[in-house]
Amino acid sequence: DAGVTQSPTHLIKTRGQQVTLRCSPISGHKSVSWYQQVLGQGPQFIFQYYEKEERGRGNFPDRFSARQFPNYSSELNVNALLLGDSALYLCASSLRANEQFFGPGTRLTVL
Amino acid sequence: AQSVTQLGSHVSVSEGALVLLRCNYSSSVPPYLFWYVQYPNQGLQLLLKYTSAATLVKGINGFEAEFKKSETSFHLTKPSAHMSDAAEYFCAVSDTNTGFQKLVFGTGTRLLVSP
Repeated sequence: DAGVTQSPTHLIKTRGQQVTLRCSPISGHKSVSWYQQVLGQGPQFIFQYYEKEERGRGNFPDRFSARQFPNYSSELNVNALLLGDSALYLCASSLRANEQFFGPGTRLTVL
Repeated sequence: AQSVTQLGSHVSVSEGALVLLRCNYSSSVPPYLFWYVQYPNQGLQLLLKYTSAATLVKGINGFEAEFKKSETSFHLTKPSAHMSDAAEYFCAVSDTNTGFQKLVFGTGTRLLVSP
């Protein structure tokens, strides 16, 4: 079975632009979580979705938003990009609690 | 809120030597604890998890970790390091206080293996 997939792999944007990152969970997984990993740090929780509804949100500004589709794939949107948004964005899917499987991530660079 | 602290941002060992990566947790409830490994330019791979069953947990690639409640620790060990073990290792705790599960990660420990 395919693992969690994310697209694109790399992305370069300029300050003020908007970006959309995509994630496809493992087949059968209904929960998707997003994490931001700034260089040299551990991942930080952004959002969790389950059955297309937001279950939780981390300490991120309203510029960050997400949604989950009927096929359980998910998009993360970031508006008005700042230099500090440069990071690796990780998506994780889960079938049951306490077991999250991560994708390879999208490397976002904001210039 | 639950949290983890990883002691040592870098650990250097020789090939064949014991690997010991330290993690201490803070939790008001019995924790679920995890170790993940991240190779350069890749995502996170689950090494092992503790979910209140056996205190000694065996994972992939010869790694294991022991949950010690009295020390609030969950250190990761491997008897003999391989060059391929060189990577970033993250300890994480599952925070369910908010009614849903999110992972709270430590700052990571980079393992360097020399020949």
